[in-house]
Amino acid sequence: DGGITQSPKYLFRKEGQNVTLSCEQNLNHDAMYWYRQDPGQGLRLIYYSQIVNDFQKGDIAEGYSVSREKKESFPLTVTSAQKNPTAFYLCASSMGTVNTEAFFGQGTRLTVV
Amino acid sequence: KQEVTQIPAALSVPEGENLVLNCSFTDSAIYNLQWFRQDPGKGLTSLLLIQSSQREQTSGRLNASLDKSSGRSTLYIAASQPGDSATYLCAVRMKTSYDKVIFGPGTSLSVIP
Repeated sequence: DGGITQSPKYLFRKEGQNVTLSCEQNLNHDAMYWYRQDPGQGLRLIYYSQIVNDFQKGDIAEGYSVSREKKESFPLTVTSAQKNPTAFYLCASSMGTVNTEAFFGQGTRLTVV
Repeated sequence: KQEVTQIPAALSVPEGENLVLNCSFTDSAIYNLQWFRQDPGKGLTSLLLIQSSQREQTSGRLNASLDKSSGRSTLYIAASQPGDSATYLCAVRMKTSYDKVIFGPGTSLSVIP
């Protein structure tokens, strides 16, 4: 089945630790995105990538890092510099950039303990 | 800066009613607008995608319209069912050098049996 897979579904992090959220897609999409969702707020863009080995900061990139070494993978690292990392993280992909539909994974809920 | 708003924030209707959800955006330089559904704790499911050159799109009981010049879109749900209960989000794809997808905060819909 084609789609976007995020793992893990739930993740717990101790303060001061870095954690990496996985996002894999087998849709052959060029563009991939990471969003953060907090209760009562809309999705906010963290990072996005239009093509392999290229990515751009979104609106709330501080405390996060990404890589795009392969077309199908776009992992997100939440670093210890992120002051309030507890949130629901969503990964998305689209075929390209113009006039294309975005598809989402099922999300990862990160909790700092 | 693009701002996307959705009215109402929450809506509760009896089963069988027709209803309209509203989405407004401030910058009309968009490629498309997409409506999503999100169930609690889940990822986003794409409902309808309207290209900037289109006026409306239909899928089953759903009809979405777009008036780009006025910065508005509506999602019409006919004969609502309890299974329609979810949060509905709209998102616009921007015409920027790296086109971002900007989300509204969502409308939480509850359909009462």
